[in-house]
Amino acid sequence: DTAVSQTPKYLVTQMGNDKSIKCEQNLGHDTMYWYKQDSKKFLKIMFSYNNKELIINETVPNRFSPKSPDKAHLNLHINSLELGDSAVYFCASSQGASSNQPQHFGDGTRLSIL
Amino acid sequence: QKEVEQNSGPLSVPEGAIASLNCTYSDRGSQSFFWYRQYSGKSPELIMFIYSNGDKEDGRFTAQLNKASQYVSLLIRDSQPSDSATYLCAVNVLGTYKYIFGTGTRLKVLA
Repeated sequence: DTAVSQTPKYLVTQMGNDKSIKCEQNLGHDTMYWYKQDSKKFLKIMFSYNNKELIINETVPNRFSPKSPDKAHLNLHINSLELGDSAVYFCASSQGASSNQPQHFGDGTRLSIL
Repeated sequence: QKEVEQNSGPLSVPEGAIASLNCTYSDRGSQSFFWYRQYSGKSPELIMFIYSNGDKEDGRFTAQLNKASQYVSLLIRDSQPSDSATYLCAVNVLGTYKYIFGTGTRLKVLA
């Protein structure tokens, strides 16, 4: 019973391509997040949705576009991939509008740009 | 100044010792504090969270929070080689959904 699942686990593609990563959670949470973890292991927030509404949009190139069709899903589409996009992307979820709830992470998607 | 700071390590401790991991944060509005463990190539998993000043214990783990000094720490008693991982401190600021992570401290427990 995977709580937060991401697909694909690995993504190897060429510069300039467009790709998507999907995320689903079965915890009943109403808030979902996308993080980027670079080679130095720094985990940086990119986007967050609460009940399908965008609530956090960090300084991220507009080549990155999140989409939340419902509160259990948050997908990430990336256009015109660049070498610097190589990283591990983690999806996470948490419950409620309160800020004191811990986050639960998916297994990550390792994106490698050739 | 970084918003959440951790010593990157590695912090090496012998098996059975107490490992002490520290984290400082800059925003006084921070109200929730989390410790995550991340094994190499894996996702972060929650170890503990703490909201109030003082100590909170869970098994071999103790989180300590001092809001006046703006630091939070994690103690691991009777350290085991399986505790070897990177420990991430995360802070949430009151009234926001944003969780800010430190860069993590790599812990090595030597058998």
